[in-house]
Amino acid sequence: QQQVKQSPQSLIVQKGGIPIINCAYENTAFDYFPWYQQFPGKGPALLIAIRPDVSEKKEGRFTISFNKSAKQFSLHIMDSQPGDSATYFCAAANAGNMLTFGGGTRLMVKP
Amino acid sequence: NAGVTQTPKFRILKIGQSMTLQCTQDMNHNYMYWYRQDPGMGLKLIYYSVGAGITDKGEVPNGYNVSRSTTEDFPLRLELAAPSQTSVYFCASSLQGSNQPQHFGDGTRLSIL
Repeated sequence: QQQVKQSPQSLIVQKGGIPIINCAYENTAFDYFPWYQQFPGKGPALLIAIRPDVSEKKEGRFTISFNKSAKQFSLHIMDSQPGDSATYFCAAANAGNMLTFGGGTRLMVKP
Repeated sequence: NAGVTQTPKFRILKIGQSMTLQCTQDMNHNYMYWYRQDPGMGLKLIYYSVGAGITDKGEVPNGYNVSRSTTEDFPLRLELAAPSQTSVYFCASSLQGSNQPQHFGDGTRLSIL
């Protein structure tokens, strides 16, 4: 069964802190690893994505680190802000663009 | 651009009733998807379509049906609503091919009592 395991389920940090969300996958056929951000009452929105031939990708304050041998990847949010408070989902896709999602992490950034 | 539009936003059904969740996109995307999101869980794929007239099952298709008669529309049908189908349903679309970002609607919150 294709699975993506995400941790922690919830996370509270102070403004300016660096929350880290971790994901692990099993299926080595996955070749695309996006992160989605979801605000209450809204659908998920693509935040950043990485392919397994790259070990790190940065977009603004968001960084994905990827460890192909361990089958793990993580999201770091630098200088976190209260506006970053949301639920974050990691996902993995195969060549057919079908996404398998992790269980989600509810992040709260305190002012 | 409206992107992906889902209707209704909220609905309460009685056990055994049927309904259709509507999804339309204006981005001319070939691929469309239906997911359900249960509390504390990630999104699970119900059905997907790679083009008009072509649909296929995802991870959790039981109790649902879909059709794709046009590129723009991808309705999801519940024939005999059951309490286990209480969830938030999201429709998404993407360009054809791998590694394409999926664009989501804002969801339909469905309660079955």
